[in-house]
Amino acid sequence: GAVVSQHPSRVICKSGTSVKIECRSLDFQATTMFWYRQFPKQSLMLMATSNEGSKATYEQGVEKDKFLINHASLTLSTLTVTSAHPEDSSFYICSASDRTSDIYEQYFGPGTRLTVT
Amino acid sequence: AQKVTQAQTEISVVEKEDVTLDCVYETRDTTYYLFWYKQPPSGELVFLIRRNSFDEQNEISGRYSWNFQKSTSSFNFTITASQVVDSAVYFCALSALSGAGSYQLTFGKGTKLSVIP
Repeated sequence: GAVVSQHPSRVICKSGTSVKIECRSLDFQATTMFWYRQFPKQSLMLMATSNEGSKATYEQGVEKDKFLINHASLTLSTLTVTSAHPEDSSFYICSASDRTSDIYEQYFGPGTRLTVT
Repeated sequence: AQKVTQAQTEISVVEKEDVTLDCVYETRDTTYYLFWYKQPPSGELVFLIRRNSFDEQNEISGRYSWNFQKSTSSFNFTITASQVVDSAVYFCALSALSGAGSYQLTFGKGTKLSVIP
């Protein structure tokens, strides 16, 4: 149980375009979803936290107008990178948790590798 | 605020050697969870263990063992008789109440383990 999927696994886009990444919880209701970014040889950095039906809470330094997060259902959250630039190239990982059953646990997706050319 | 320190950036061992990965954490919460994750080159995070702050019993799972000591705020991870397949980046993480009032995972910077055949 507790499977989280991400789509796509890899994406290459041109500078200035937008790209959407989907994160789905397959067998549980994700009341809260998290988006992380990981640059090469670095740790995971939390970008934002979103609760279903609410606006996302962004970490300091993360541009909310550039990284649009939507969590419209209990099984789906999307991250849209708008007007992408080469410096946005990174590994994006989502995680999901069911806060009604366990406030500490997060289940991670397999990640999406974004390359902006 | 929470903090996780993995002082070892990279470790190399010869196959069949034992290796210990260190993790030291900081939190003001009395209730928290500690985790270890493995990240192979594919990028997907693999959950290894979760431990709550009230359970200081050491745990063994096959070649893996964990030593949790609240007195020193440490949660070290030992791999016995290492194998080439153990080569990966290992992250220690802490789940506790953040300053923003939500439970978040704080990751250490990771330790890259290379097991040489």
